[in-house]
Amino acid sequence: QPVLTQSSSASASLGSSVKLTCTLSSGYSSHIIAWHQQQPGKAPRYLMKLEGSGRYNKGSEVPYRFSGSTSGADRYLIISNLQSEDEADYYCETWDSNTRVFGGGTKLTVL
Amino acid sequence: QLQLQESGPGLVKPSETLSLTCTVSGGSISRSTYYWGWIRQPPGKGLEWIGSIYYSGSTYYNPSLKSRVTISVDTSKNQFSLKLTSLTAADTAVYYCAKSYYHDAFDIWGQGTMVTVSS
Repeated sequence: QPVLTQSSSASASLGSSVKLTCTLSSGYSSHIIAWHQQQPGKAPRYLMKLEGSGRYNKGSEVPYRFSGSTSGADRYLIISNLQSEDEADYYCETWDSNTRVFGGGTKLTVL
Repeated sequence: QLQLQESGPGLVKPSETLSLTCTVSGGSISRSTYYWGWIRQPPGKGLEWIGSIYYSGSTYYNPSLKSRVTISVDTSKNQFSLKLTSLTAADTAVYYCAKSYYHDAFDIWGQGTMVTVSS
């Protein structure tokens, strides 16, 4: 089954941009993934689905500041014009042959 | 707008069985394109998929939990349920229910319910 690897933490300044990475394991580089945001004390929230082509499809009411891109097995979540409410944990998710996996999550700190 | 709400006991004893229910509102659990899943999150840790079910009753489970998990659906009540047996402290977590399409992301999540396994 696929494995998703994420950095444990990231930080960026208010108003700047940040790129979070989710890496698919060998043999799964074309897989679609999803990004979820989990603000402190809240349930996860679906942000977008991101294809190997780089095409992405955002959930309803996800701000324009959130976008996605792809390079090989890497799937990126890009957040521009960082706001304080973007400080959260971000998880990637994928699925294959009746199994689902989540990455370990990246804790984003907004400085 | 589809909404999901988990319910169940907040405290369960070791070796016992956990039973949780997810109530779906704002839409039918029997819609042919929807799948329903359970995910958990131990305190301070990441998300772990437990298993998923289709309204027809077909299920698929995380191999690491498969021997202890049963997920079922009650279309008459618009609910689906989780049973997890032989509990240990390692099963202490927030349990979420969520909706997806087949081979697609979880795009709607419940608010979660905290379950503590302790004597």
